[in-house]
Order: sequence, then structure tokens, then C-alpha cells
Amino acid sequence: QITLKESGPTLVKPTQTLTLTCTFSGFSLSTSGVGVGWIRQPPGKALEWLALIYWNDDKRYSPSLKIRLTITKDTSKNQVVLTMTNMDPVDTATYYCAHRPAGWVYFDYWGQGALVTVSS
Amino acid sequence: QSVLTQPPSVSAAPGQTVTISCSGSSSNIGSNPVSWYQQLPGTAPKLLIYDNNKRPSGIPDRFSGSKSGTSATLGITGLQTGDEADYYCGTWDSSLSVYVFGTGTKVTVL
Repeated sequence: QITLKESGPTLVKPTQTLTLTCTFSGFSLSTSGVGVGWIRQPPGKALEWLALIYWNDDKRYSPSLKIRLTITKDTSKNQVVLTMTNMDPVDTATYYCAHRPAGWVYFDYWGQGALVTVSS
Repeated sequence: QSVLTQPPSVSAAPGQTVTISCSGSSSNIGSNPVSWYQQLPGTAPKLLIYDNNKRPSGIPDRFSGSKSGTSATLGITGLQTGDEADYYCGTWDSSLSVYVFGTGTKVTVL
């Protein structure tokens, strides 16, 4: 079955760069059409889509955060990495990675989420 | 920041029916299939409906979805206490080339 798990720091300081890793199993990111996305959720607030990487290394970013985000994949390790620069307290949120099935526009499997707090 | 608008909350007694609306535009709901996600307290979102009205394996038929024009609707019949959760719609926005989520709706079982 498909599983995903986020890992990374739980606390970062303002202006630092956040690096989160999504380690997955049960599918390959070299399979045509498949994608992995990142979504975040500030405490008590709605879901916000951040980025998506496709099997062919095509990438999409949230326009409002594009200059701060980089998404990459390591197919051999079954990992997707998201970096976000210049972190601010408003970036405090639970960060999720999720699987996008080939040819579809939704996320069918989600990781458990990683809470990241931005504070000095 | 969400481009899909949902009512903040809906409520009903056990056994009753609730509907949740999701309003968008021609570039998102009007052009692409809608999915719905259920987020139980303290847990990750879970796919409830995809392709407007299809249910993944294991999702009971008490949950249904529909789409008309630039709006979509999630229906929950036979409401149970275990259905208390936040519900989000989502779809692709072809103009922005981004995935967009709704503002979220909290379902309360009275």
C-alpha cells in the first residue's frame, strides 16, 4: 500500500531555511503521470497547497510563495524534498506531503504531517 | 487566500442530512474535476470524493458529490457523530496552474 511520511525540524528560527523530506513507499515517482505535492495548514486554519513535482521533474509552485520554495525528487531514495527560505512566524504550520495519482487531479494518500514552528 | 468558497460551518442532528457547497470559477471548478477531503480532529486529510462524484474504496455511500457549472456540493446522509470533522473541496486552477483548496467547513453533529 502507499504510505508517505514527512520529516524535518520541528523548530526553526526566523529567516532560516526549512528543509522537509517526504519519504514514501508503495509507488514510484518514475511512473508516468504520478506526482507528489506539499500542502500546509497553519493551526486552526485551512489547507494551503504549496508545490507539486511530477514524475518527469515538471514542477508547480504556489504563486504567492514561489520565490521561497524549491521542490526536488530523488527517485532512487523514494524521497521528495521541499525547501522554504526566509522562514517567518506566519509559516508555522503542519506540513503534509501527498500522492497524486497518474492522470488525476487530487491527492489520494497523505502523510501524517509534520508540525513546524517558527520562533526565535 | 483560498479561491474556493465554502460555508464556515453546518450542523444537523444524528441521522439527518447536510450539504456543503463549494463555489469557484470557470478556471477551476468550471474546468476541472472536484475532490473532497475529510479531516477528523488532529489527523491528516483523507480523500472522500474524487472526480466530482466518485468514492474511493472504503468510503460509505452516505457521502456523495456533485458539480454544476462553477459550484460543487458534498452531501452527507445519515449523519453520525463520527462525521464531525472539517471538510475541504479541492481542484486544479487552469489559469493559475495551481491546486486550490476551499476555505473549509466544520460539520457539527448536534
